[in-house]
Amino acid sequence: ETGVTQTPRHLVMGMTNKKSLKCEQHLGHNAMYWYKQSAKKPLELMFVYNFKEQTENNSVPSRFSPECPNSSHLFLHLHTLQPEDSALYLCASSQDWLKQFSDNYGYTFGSGTRLTVV
Amino acid sequence: QKEVEQNSGPLSVPEGAIASLNCTYSDRGSQSFFWYRQYSGKSPELIMSIYSNGDKEDGRFTAQLNKASQYVSLLIRDSQPSDSATYLCAVRDNDMRFGAGTRLTVKP
Repeated sequence: ETGVTQTPRHLVMGMTNKKSLKCEQHLGHNAMYWYKQSAKKPLELMFVYNFKEQTENNSVPSRFSPECPNSSHLFLHLHTLQPEDSALYLCASSQDWLKQFSDNYGYTFGSGTRLTVV
Repeated sequence: QKEVEQNSGPLSVPEGAIASLNCTYSDRGSQSFFWYRQYSGKSPELIMSIYSNGDKEDGRFTAQLNKASQYVSLLIRDSQPSDSATYLCAVRDNDMRFGAGTRLTVKP
């Protein structure tokens, strides 16, 4: 375990369903992120939360709705998704969004949720 | 559009050889550079970070940074079959931007 836990590991949902992805970190980090990973494409940053405040929404469609109730928990609410939204959704955390030059800076990723939209 | 470019591979090396992975980036203002390893079906894990021009060594891994050429590389010495994975280059200005990754196969 990396200290970042994501649930569920796998999710199959229809285009009319509503579901939520959950991420929890036990590392004492202050920043949390959602990334989308599609086959043969770079990781795509979706949302950034720093100290529970959303600092970036990377032009993500409104059918994806993030929620960050505290620095340890992050959710991604899904509704009326499209088949092209099928991907691996990764949560990550880091010490602080602004601390770039620390050797401990790098992101810690969760195991991801493999989402299939049918 | 700020980009991070990697050769997708696959890169195949024999066991014991040096594997060389390369990455270029477009944003000249980038300050922090990272290499992540991702095994098939798993999440990325950080293996190296580098901030200054030159080389940084950690065990069998050496990261090399040349900001003037906007180039960062990862050398893996004495490659092992367990090193077989996809290696992601990441560049940080405000956000962490990733390349698509290079798939490395180390053959016994």
